[in-house]
Amino acid sequence: AQSVAQPEDQVNVAEGNPLTVKCTYSVSGNPYLFWYVQYPNRGLQFLLKYITGDNLVKGSYGFEAEFNKSQTSFHLKKPSALVSDSALYFCAVSDSGGYNKLIFGAGTRLAVHP
Amino acid sequence: GAGVSQTPSNKVTEKGKYVELRCDPISGHTALYWYRQSLGQGPEFLIYFQGTGAADDSGLPNDRFFAVRPEGSVSTLKIQRTERGDSAVYLCASSPQLGGNYEQYFGPGTRLTVT
Repeated sequence: AQSVAQPEDQVNVAEGNPLTVKCTYSVSGNPYLFWYVQYPNRGLQFLLKYITGDNLVKGSYGFEAEFNKSQTSFHLKKPSALVSDSALYFCAVSDSGGYNKLIFGAGTRLAVHP
Repeated sequence: GAGVSQTPSNKVTEKGKYVELRCDPISGHTALYWYRQSLGQGPEFLIYFQGTGAADDSGLPNDRFFAVRPEGSVSTLKIQRTERGDSAVYLCASSPQLGGNYEQYFGPGTRLTVT
């Protein structure tokens, strides 16, 4: 069965510092990996995805994520955090075996302090 | 362009009542998905459509839940005999085609409260 784990309920970081939000996954086939962000009272917004190719994926708002097959991880990163990055972040996976639904992690709340 | 829209944004209903939640996908998107997000959790898959047909309804929790997409565009999620445990935010998403490699575009959700 497919699953996603986000081991941290909350990540706190000072503005200007680098940030990492962790995600590990389990799928039966090749993974398709996604990051979404959710601001209060707004829908989920797509940030970036890994399908194939380069393990480092760049997305919206300066975010990037690194796919590590051996560690089954897809951590979200940003070199310099902004207060406006404070939100709820979700990692999700589908697989190449024909399953189109997204399986989401429980989410990680990112708090960036001035 | 216009994104995914969902109506109503909020719905309060009494236990045992019937509710309908509507989703209007991005124009031209053939794949449509429904998810449910309970407080403090990530979205959970309910059902998805390719065109008019339900390709996978394995996430529907029981037979009180039903969804249709009669013309391949707008979809309605129907819940009969609502229970307090049905309270959640119901999210709709669409993508250009069916395929696990396509990102899904989400609507703002309908917050359902069953009293």
